[in-house]
Amino acid sequence: GEDVEQSLFLSVREGDSSVINCTYTDSSSTYLYWYKQEPGAGLQLLTYIFSNMDMKQDQRLTVLLNKKDKHLSLRIADTQTGDSAIYFCAEIHQAGTALIFGKGTTLSVSS
Amino acid sequence: DAGVIQSPRHEVTEMGQEVTLRCKPISGHNSLFWYRQTMMRGLELLIYFNNNVPIDDSGMPEDRFSAKMPNASFSTLKIQPSEPRDSAVYFCASSRRQGRVPNEQFFGPGTRLTVL
Repeated sequence: GEDVEQSLFLSVREGDSSVINCTYTDSSSTYLYWYKQEPGAGLQLLTYIFSNMDMKQDQRLTVLLNKKDKHLSLRIADTQTGDSAIYFCAEIHQAGTALIFGKGTTLSVSS
Repeated sequence: DAGVIQSPRHEVTEMGQEVTLRCKPISGHNSLFWYRQTMMRGLELLIYFNNNVPIDDSGMPEDRFSAKMPNASFSTLKIQPSEPRDSAVYFCASSRRQGRVPNEQFFGPGTRLTVL
């Protein structure tokens, strides 16, 4: 199948690290993405990783890719209340085709 | 850049009425996507176009749904007749092949449709 799977909810305290996990099924995916959706808004690209990379770091964000297990994770360090949103994992099999999104993980950050 | 523009932002209609959702992609983008988001089913791809040509409409729920892209700067998604189960947020997104980030999709703010 072509399902991208994510857990639905994650709750953390402000200042803690958040780890959002995703599994995908197509080993030929060239790029994998994390999108963020804030309340009442559309999705916005947060970060992405090329399939030949294991890790990518961008300020508070760390993306880890395990191709063998087809597992992607997004770590947010020092999570803030403004990070509360829905986070979508997505893959693409071939340039020019549509992204395949997971159902999204709702991150709730409490102060 | 104004980003992807969708109209209306909110639509409330009665069952059986025709609904037309509109989208203006970012200038220079050659792919356009229509999605539907509900609590139950999450984000679903309905249809997408490359260079104004429909490529994959397998996500369109049924014949009541139709989408057109008459030119590179405009697309419509029509539901006729509408039903309460069509209530959702409908997103339009656009992308270009040779962007800064490969295959990055830019989403509009969405249209919240309520069918009574």
